[in-house]
Amino acid sequence: GAVVSQHPSRVICKSGTSVKIECRSLDFQATTMFWYRQFPKKSLMLMATSNEGSKATYEQGVEKDKFLINHASLTLSTLTVTSAHPEDSSFYICSARVPDTTDTQYFGPGTRLTVL
Amino acid sequence: DQQVKQNSPSLSVQEGRISILNCDYTNSMFDYFLWYKKYPAEGPTFLISISSIKDKNEDGRFTVFLNKSAKHLSLHIVPSQPGDSAVYFCAASWSGSARQLTFGSGTQLTVLP
Repeated sequence: GAVVSQHPSRVICKSGTSVKIECRSLDFQATTMFWYRQFPKKSLMLMATSNEGSKATYEQGVEKDKFLINHASLTLSTLTVTSAHPEDSSFYICSARVPDTTDTQYFGPGTRLTVL
Repeated sequence: DQQVKQNSPSLSVQEGRISILNCDYTNSMFDYFLWYKKYPAEGPTFLISISSIKDKNEDGRFTVFLNKSAKHLSLHIVPSQPGDSAVYFCAASWSGSARQLTFGSGTQLTVLP
């Protein structure tokens, strides 16, 4: 299957700093990537849809100025959590859609963000 | 409004027996359904999918059944193995939503040795 990587796997930062998370499709080109957030014992919550070469589409309630998404190439999307606060601590997961007729999404391994 | 529902938060099955995980949906526009397996602190792993034009898809030990009239799908794992213990999410999408996935809340499967 298609491989999606995420970096870093975990990050601890101080409140007020910004953190960048990278999502890469390793063996295919992804025009569309998705960013999710998972709270403990909850399902995945879609934050935004990242489209290569254009602005991301954010879900209702997600602050676009806080969660900056850049999809500069067909294999890389980045999520930057700006001015992070403890309530931003969570598990962030990206996925990339394989552009075939089935449009299956393949997920990265996730990034555990802890804001002190 | 939860468009994809997994009503059983947990399921325990003996090794070697069949595991049946259920999922219901309300949006009749959904035309593509997927099952993912997830371990703690990892991203979901794609297992199997089914298009709405089919009612069954099989891949090794995994079979997904789709009943469109009942808006219900199920994942059968046979024989179940201890390594199958994980949280299983069903997800659905349709072309009008830019193929965004709507996830169920997940079912924790425990396969007992």
